[in-house]
Amino acid sequence: GEDVEQSLFLSVREGDSSVINCTYTDSSSTYLYWYKQEPGAGLQLLTYIFSNMDMKQDQRLTVLLNKKDKHLSLRIADTQTGDSAIYFCAEKDFGTSYGKLTFGQGTILTVHP
Amino acid sequence: DAMVIQNPRYQVTQFGKPVTLSCSQTLNHNVMYWYQQKSSQAPKLLFHYYDKDFNNEADTPDNFQSRRPNTSFCFLDIRSPGLGDAAMYLCATSRDGTGNTEAFFGQGTRLTVV
Repeated sequence: GEDVEQSLFLSVREGDSSVINCTYTDSSSTYLYWYKQEPGAGLQLLTYIFSNMDMKQDQRLTVLLNKKDKHLSLRIADTQTGDSAIYFCAEKDFGTSYGKLTFGQGTILTVHP
Repeated sequence: DAMVIQNPRYQVTQFGKPVTLSCSQTLNHNVMYWYQQKSSQAPKLLFHYYDKDFNNEADTPDNFQSRRPNTSFCFLDIRSPGLGDAAMYLCATSRDGTGNTEAFFGQGTRLTVV
């Protein structure tokens, strides 16, 4: 089955860029997602990319996809203290018809003033 | 306005005492999912409903059941909670699960087993 892995912790200073990395195993076409989870809250979809794309930019967020290496990254420009949260990478399982998402363990982003 | 609502936000139950978690949606989506997220772990799909069709993931314990009496509501029943079932339970919906239809998540219910 699919497997998604992320580094567990990232600490940055306010105003710097943050880069959160993810690797996945599915070799077929797929959608890849980045979700944000604030303490005690559910998951908020930030952005997504289809596996035939290399890059997607959405305001402060840039997603880069290296399909050969199955490596996905999320760059947050001008990181703010409000960006402190857990960030999950997720892969949609195209082997099912019902949109199952396989998540990584999450990266805890801490932004210092 | 919240589109996927989970109640309660926090639930404390006794070891072995049945407990039910609730999820409702205002999106009229066909698919409703229940994910379990243990501390510092990835959310993991337990099961889903496509309309009235229930689908269990292969490794979901028998202790977990679900009901969907209508399009708007879905319940997660834990028949005999153990300490290992303490987790955040996330409900999500999707129009039909295909392509890039977005999954909308509720705020989650944090279950504590004492």
